[in-house]
Amino acid sequence: QVQLVQSGAEVKPPGASVKVSCKASGYIFTDYYMHWVRQAPGQGLEWMGWINPNSDATNYAQKFQGRVTLARDTSISTVYMEVSRLRSDDTAVYYCARGSLIGDSGWSIDIWGQGTMVTVSS
Amino acid sequence: QSALTQPRSVSGSPGQSVTISCTGTSSDVGDYNYVSWYQQYPGKAPKLIIYDVTERPSGVPDRFSGSKSGNTASLTISGLQAEDEADYYCCSYAGTYTSVFGTGTKVTVL
Repeated sequence: QVQLVQSGAEVKPPGASVKVSCKASGYIFTDYYMHWVRQAPGQGLEWMGWINPNSDATNYAQKFQGRVTLARDTSISTVYMEVSRLRSDDTAVYYCARGSLIGDSGWSIDIWGQGTMVTVSS
Repeated sequence: QSALTQPRSVSGSPGQSVTISCTGTSSDVGDYNYVSWYQQYPGKAPKLIIYDVTERPSGVPDRFSGSKSGNTASLTISGLQAEDEADYYCCSYAGTYTSVFGTGTKVTVL
């Protein structure tokens, strides 16, 4: 079955960087966009950006441009999200989530990873 | 990009219908038929329940339905059940290959 498995929880000091991985299985990795969404404690969902695993193209929400980097390794069907210059308000659960079929006219997110808690604390 | 506006909470008794609104602008909800809805239980990942405004993924009960009028999309839950108590989020395509989520609505089954 289609599955996204993320790396484990992280605790980082302010100013550091964190890298979260997301391994896909059960479908053709390069056929679908991969989005990242975060959720601060007790707050709503916030869209961060996507990567096209086929072309390596990326697109970020304006808020995260310059501080978030998405990358992929097609040999192991894995996407990575790195956040640099961490602040306390980056404390959140970070989700990877499969987007639409690349080249298709639709635009939605269907399958979600289990989430990775990132805590920024000194 | 500002979050889409949803009511903070809605409630209903078992068997009743509830509707959650999702208000955006002419640059997102009003301009594209790419509105999706997600159900989220505490401590769990969201689950897709509606996509492309009105479409239901396989396995989602038909008591969930979506619609849109102008800049506002809506999710209706008919025949409310105890298991429907959760948080619900809308999401819209917002142009230039970006997305925006709603503020979220807590549904309480009385």
